[in-house]
Amino acid sequence: DVKVTQSSRYLVKRTGEKVFLECVQDMDHENMFWYRQDPGLGLRLIYFSYDVKMKEKGDIPEGYSVSREKKERFSLILESASTNQTSMYLCASSLFIQETQYFGPGTRLLVL
Amino acid sequence: KQEVTQIPAALSVPEGENLVLNCSFTDSAIYNLQWFRQDPGKGLTSLLLIQSSQREQTSGRLNASLDKSSGRSTLYIAASQPGDSATYLCAVRRAGANNLFFGTGTRLTVIP
Repeated sequence: DVKVTQSSRYLVKRTGEKVFLECVQDMDHENMFWYRQDPGLGLRLIYFSYDVKMKEKGDIPEGYSVSREKKERFSLILESASTNQTSMYLCASSLFIQETQYFGPGTRLLVL
Repeated sequence: KQEVTQIPAALSVPEGENLVLNCSFTDSAIYNLQWFRQDPGKGLTSLLLIQSSQREQTSGRLNASLDKSSGRSTLYIAASQPGDSATYLCAVRRAGANNLFFGTGTRLTVIP
């Protein structure tokens, strides 16, 4: 079974802090994704990566950056956290870019 | 831009009932459509993926249909059980695009 893990289930940070969210997958998938999920807005893609050190912006990249130094790990970075980044963050991976995505359990981030 | 709508937002049914969840999308030029399940506070679990050339997919008590020309998909759940209680999300991938467009989901409650 594919396993996607996220480093934290819950995080509380202060405005202006730099925040790192980590995602690891164990199935040697080429593609990894970061989404945020907000009530009434659904899931929206922040960034995705199709290979090590490769990344592409999704629909809402502003205020975020990503890092993929190893194939199994994809990090989402909030350079200076703001209250409007309070959300549920979900990581996913897939073998082929247009096939089934497998999701991690999510990180619920609260920015005060 | 692709918009995905799921109506109703919430649905309650008695145990044992058959039910249908609806998903509609605005751009019929899709590559595939995927149905997910999300339990409260958790990540997404993929249920069924339908390629654009397919009309339906089945897995156990679940059957998903796709009508590309009318921009609709349905998820049929037979003989519902309390364990089916969750939020069901549909997501569409446009042809030539790398990301999924998600609906906001239908929250299903199956009453014992």
